[in-house]
Amino acid sequence: GQQLNQSPQSMFIQEGEDVSMNCTSSSIFNTWLWYKQDPGEGPVLLIALYKAGELTSNGRLTAQFGITRKDSFLNISASIPSDVGIYFCAGQPREETSGSRLTFGEGTQLTVNP
Amino acid sequence: DAGVIQSPRHEVTEMGQEVTLRCKPISGHDYLFWYRQTMMRGLELLIYFNNNVPIDDSGMPEDRFSAKMPNASFSTLKIQPSEPRDSAVYFCASTRRNTEAFFGQGTRLTVV
Repeated sequence: GQQLNQSPQSMFIQEGEDVSMNCTSSSIFNTWLWYKQDPGEGPVLLIALYKAGELTSNGRLTAQFGITRKDSFLNISASIPSDVGIYFCAGQPREETSGSRLTFGEGTQLTVNP
Repeated sequence: DAGVIQSPRHEVTEMGQEVTLRCKPISGHDYLFWYRQTMMRGLELLIYFNNNVPIDDSGMPEDRFSAKMPNASFSTLKIQPSEPRDSAVYFCASTRRNTEAFFGQGTRLTVV
C-alpha cells in the first residue's frame, strides 16, 4: 500500500526562526495537502497543492508539490508561539479506485519557544 | 456551514460495553471518512463512504467495529464489545470529490 514518510518527527525552535518539513511517498499522488492539528482538535487544512511543481503560499506558510509527484515540503517563516502543533502532510492518489481517500504522514510535532 | 459535527466529544466506558460515535458531515459532501488517531499509529483510515455506500472498510480493525451511513447527513461508528486498546481519538471527515477533506473535532474514547 501507499506510505508517506514525514520528517522530522519533532522540532524545537525559537520564536522567529524558519521551519521546514517534508513528506516523501513511495507512489505518485494527484494532490498534496498540509494540515495542522491543535491539541484537542481535529486537523485543519493549511494548504492544498494540485499540480506537480506548484508552489503555494498562505501568509507565512509556503508549500510545494514536488515535480516527481512523490514529495512535498512545507515551510513556515518567522515562527510564532501559536504555530505550535502537529503538522500532517496528506496525499490523495490518482482517482481510479480510491475516490477522495487520503494517506497521512506520521506528523511533525512543532514546539516554538518564546 | 457548521462544519463536520461529531458527538460525543468525550466518552468513557467500561470494557465490554457498546460504544456509538456519531458524525454529521458538511451538507453537500458525498464522501465521509472515519479515522482513528493514536500516538503509536498516527491517523489511520478505518472506513469511508461515497454517497452513503461503504467503499473501503479494509482499515476496520476487526468485527467488533461497524459503521453505517443511513443517509447523507448522518453516520455512526459502533464498537461492540469495546476493549481498552480501542482507546483513541476518532475523527470523522467529509469532502466532495477531488476537494479537501474537512475534519470534525473528534471523539476521545477511553475504555477502562
